[in-house]
Amino acid sequence: EAQVTQNPRYLITVTGKKLTVTCSQNMNHEYMSWYRQDPGLGLRQIYYSMNVEVTDKGDVPEGYKVSRKEKRNFPLILESPSPNQTSLYFCASSFGLALNTGELFFGEGSRLTVL
Amino acid sequence: QQPVQSPQAVILREGEDAVINCSSSKALYSVHWYRQKHGEAPVFLMILLKGGEQKGHDKISASFNEKKQQSSLYLTASQLSYSGTYFCGTEGGGKLIFGQGTELSVKP
Repeated sequence: EAQVTQNPRYLITVTGKKLTVTCSQNMNHEYMSWYRQDPGLGLRQIYYSMNVEVTDKGDVPEGYKVSRKEKRNFPLILESPSPNQTSLYFCASSFGLALNTGELFFGEGSRLTVL
Repeated sequence: QQPVQSPQAVILREGEDAVINCSSSKALYSVHWYRQKHGEAPVFLMILLKGGEQKGHDKISASFNEKKQQSSLYLTASQLSYSGTYFCGTEGGGKLIFGQGTELSVKP
């Protein structure tokens, strides 16, 4: 089954404790992206990757890191989480962003709470 | 910069029509539309290119007004299943930036 898998789905952590949210897709997609969703603010792009070893900042990259060592995986790293990073996080992937390739497939979301 | 969606929320009766607008201060090349039902992930509806008009699934379609730098999503004869939050996204150089969303509620 074609899917984007995120883990963990739910996490409560404390300020400063490094954490990684994993994202894996089995559709051989080149493009992958992380979004955070907060009430009233919509989906805000954190980082994206056009292909292996190619990553770039979205609109809200502060406090986050990513890596793309393999095509299927795109982990989101919070080196020192803070309460303002409490949010619902979505990973998404697609073949690209063009008309015929731009359908983004989203993971189920990871709800993160930082105390 | 985030595109601006209007209205922010709309309540419809089944069978009524609705229009959701998506505007950008930057030149638009393409607009992506998604729907997110409560507690679920966003789901792709369609992509619209400059000058294009797209017919999506169900009775949902969209248009692109290059002069106004705006895209509009049309929901015709709405069904209960149309309820959710609709997002438009504008693409540029690999970034796909979404608007704040329009919450649509369809009542019986």
